[in-house]
Amino acid sequence: GAGVSQTPSNKVTEKGKYVELRCDPISGHTALYWYRQSLGQGPEFLIYFQGTGAADDSGLPNDRFFAVRPEGSVSTLKIQRTERGDSAVYLCASSPRTKGSEQFFGPGTRLTVL
Amino acid sequence: GNSVTQMEGPVTLSEEAFLTINCTYTATGYPSLFWYVQYPGEGLQLLLKATKADDKGSNKGFEATYRKETTSFHLEKGSVQVSDSAVYFCALSEGGNNRLAFGKGNQVVVIP
Repeated sequence: GAGVSQTPSNKVTEKGKYVELRCDPISGHTALYWYRQSLGQGPEFLIYFQGTGAADDSGLPNDRFFAVRPEGSVSTLKIQRTERGDSAVYLCASSPRTKGSEQFFGPGTRLTVL
Repeated sequence: GNSVTQMEGPVTLSEEAFLTINCTYTATGYPSLFWYVQYPGEGLQLLLKATKADDKGSNKGFEATYRKETTSFHLEKGSVQVSDSAVYFCALSEGGNNRLAFGKGNQVVVIP
């Protein structure tokens, strides 16, 4: 079946602009995660959804970052007033449940803030 | 908090050589441990995992043993191939939500 998909694959924007990054998880997966990967680093946790609700958003760096998952499937990560330091690859992962389940990762969205 | 440390720097080796990538962790509880691999141009994939002390995860000729006494989960493969060239990430899952904490990753380059 189809894996996790993310759009766009690349996004270039200017400092101060607003961006939305989309994640389509594997059908039926209730758990969805967002991570951010900076150059030369491992992915860092941002936020976790179980169904429609954000069960853990402790990894969001500040209030410019927000994510939603209104129908418990597709999720959108929203970044307001982008800064150059937001440049990174944003990864989405889904899993059928939480504890003990493998997370399946999407290919990521490479965000560049000029 | 919980964290993962991987050995510094890329690893370059010849085909059929023995590969070891070191991974140590810090955790307050009893995490599950993982190795993820990222092949060129592809997304992260789970390579293997271990959920409790002394468990050995294995896949595609790779192995790693969960060592609680040394808080380690070193990755090994006895004879690497060019197709094993990739970036390898050690990770642990923390808390009931299964969020992952990753190490920095190691680039492995296998030369024919």
